Amino acid sequence: EDQVTQSPEALRLQEGESSSLNCSYTVSGLRGLFWYRQDPGKGPEFLFTLYSAGEEKEKERLKATLTKKESFLHITAPKPEDSATYLCAGAAGGYNKLIFGAGTRLAVHP
Amino acid sequence: EAGVTQSPTHLIKTRGQQATLRCSPISGHTSVYWYQQALGLGLQFLLWYDEGEERNRGNFPPRFSGRQFPNYSSELNVNALELEDSALYLCASSLGGQGAGELFFGEGSRLTVL
Repeated sequence: EDQVTQSPEALRLQEGESSSLNCSYTVSGLRGLFWYRQDPGKGPEFLFTLYSAGEEKEKERLKATLTKKESFLHITAPKPEDSATYLCAGAAGGYNKLIFGAGTRLAVHP
Repeated sequence: EAGVTQSPTHLIKTRGQQATLRCSPISGHTSVYWYQQALGLGLQFLLWYDEGEERNRGNFPPRFSGRQFPNYSSELNVNALELEDSALYLCASSLGGQGAGELFFGEGSRLTVL
């Protein structure tokens, strides 16, 4: 069965304290690995797509990487405004059906 | 440019009733997706509509159904509501065809079943 697992469930960081979020996947015929950010009371907001092992994407303080079994979202020198739930999703077969992990709740404190 | 809009924001129903949720996609987007986000769980894929047709559905019972209108807006219907249907229902849109995984989500409709 296709599955996406994220860890940790929750992460508390001090402002400026870099860390990584993990997304492990078992998705047959993975077409793409996606990262989204979700703020409380809002819908998810697209961040990155990764298509093949070794690929990296960056946006401001975020960098996403992909291996054959995992993806990591690295957060460098986070700020309080980076606090959110980060969701990872795999596309199995077509892109129309994303399999989401349960997310990592990130809290960055000043 | 207006984003994906959903209505109602909140809906309270009792067991056995029917709920109807509505979604307007971003202008120019022809694909609409519905996801269920129950508390503590990841988003679960419900339905995909493209060009007015249901193209794929997730592992949900037939009492979850919907349709897409000629203007590409969409409606999700949940019949014979059960307590476990309480969740945030998210609608997303993308450019037509297969989409590309870059989904644009609305803010959701929170359904509470009592």
